Amino acid sequence: AQSVTQLDSQVPVFEEAPVELRCNYSSSVSVYLFWYVQYPNQGLQLLLKYLSGSTLVKGINGFEAEFNKSQTSFHLRKPSVHISDTAEYFCAVRDVGAQKLVFGQGTRLTINP
Amino acid sequence: DAMVIQNPRYQVTQFGKPVTLSCSQTLNHNVMYWYQQKSSQAPKLLFHYYDKDFNNEADTPDNFQSRRPNTSFCFLDIRSPGLGDAAMYLCATSSLSGLNTDTQYFGPGTRLTVL
Repeated sequence: AQSVTQLDSQVPVFEEAPVELRCNYSSSVSVYLFWYVQYPNQGLQLLLKYLSGSTLVKGINGFEAEFNKSQTSFHLRKPSVHISDTAEYFCAVRDVGAQKLVFGQGTRLTINP
Repeated sequence: DAMVIQNPRYQVTQFGKPVTLSCSQTLNHNVMYWYQQKSSQAPKLLFHYYDKDFNNEADTPDNFQSRRPNTSFCFLDIRSPGLGDAAMYLCATSSLSGLNTDTQYFGPGTRLTVL
């Protein structure tokens, strides 16, 4: 069965500092990987996704993620964060050919001035 | 702009009083999903429709039902809400092509309060 582990439930960083949000997954088949962002009292917005090809994926708002098959990881990074990046971030995985999206528990990113 | 719309954004109901949440989409996607997200937790899939084919998750309580009268609309019915059903309910859509489902696009959610 699929599972997604987001290793940090909360990550506080200072504004303009770099950040990495960690995500590991387990699956017995090939997968698609996603990062979503959720602002308070809102739905989920897609940041980026890995389907195939280059393992470095660039998304919106200056975020990028790298798929590492050997380590079954898909960590999210941003070189310089802004106050507006304060939100909950969810990593998700879907088996190739399946419809079900499995989410991690989320990481709350807090940006301090 | 093409989008996923959920109404209402906030819903208050009484314990045991049936409630219906609404989702509509202008993306013309053939798959629609309903998720439940409790406070500080990940979204949990309740069920989804592929066109008119209903797919229930094994652990979704019988208290939760859904209807999809046409491509654009999907409803979540909670027959007898309990206090434990208070949550954010998220609707999502995607396009299924062959064996692969494209990215899921989410609506803004409906926050349900049960008194």
